[in-house]
Amino acid sequence: AQSVTQLDSQVPVFEEAPVELRCNYSSSVSVYLFWYVQYPNQGLQLLLKYLSGSTLVKGINGFEAEFNKSQTSFHLRKPSVHISDTAEYFCAVEGGKLIFGQGTELSVKP
Amino acid sequence: DAGITQSPRHKVTETGTPVTLRCHQTENHRYMYWYRQDPGHGLRLIHYSYGVKDTDKGEVSDGYSVSRSKTEDFLLTLESATSSQTSVYFCAISEGQGGKGLAGAGTGELFFGEGSRLTVL
Repeated sequence: AQSVTQLDSQVPVFEEAPVELRCNYSSSVSVYLFWYVQYPNQGLQLLLKYLSGSTLVKGINGFEAEFNKSQTSFHLRKPSVHISDTAEYFCAVEGGKLIFGQGTELSVKP
Repeated sequence: DAGITQSPRHKVTETGTPVTLRCHQTENHRYMYWYRQDPGHGLRLIHYSYGVKDTDKGEVSDGYSVSRSKTEDFLLTLESATSSQTSVYFCAISEGQGGKGLAGAGTGELFFGEGSRLTVL
């Protein structure tokens, strides 16, 4: 069975500060990992994905994530956030079926 | 933006009434999905389709049925709505890699519609 845990339900941060959104997963099979972003009143869109190869994955809008197999984590990072990054972020794991985490609300304050 | 249209975008209905949500795509993608989004639960898969008239259950399918008579349309029906079905419903599509069921969905990106907010009183 697979599961995904996003460790923080809300992350408040000031503009231009760095941010890390944490995601841990469990699976008995090899997995593919994704981060999606949902802006207010919109559907989800893909930020980045890890399928294989380099464990550091770069996505859109300056976000990146690192796959750590030993710690079963796929944390999302951005070195300097903007007001426009305010959104909900979902980690997802696919190991035969796609499972979404509960979401992390990132709130960027001026 | 992927061509996905959900209708209606907002609906208020009463317990016991039937409700149908429509998802229309212009991308000719093979896979279509219905998810519900609830606080604290993320997105949960209700039903999905991997071709015309090929559908299967997701993790929260009780109380829902689906139909796909054309590649571009995927309908979600609540035969008798209950208050527990108050939620935001998202349609998604993906190209898939062949084969049947979710195993054929592969690792392709999901493209989401803008959601349908359903309130059951």
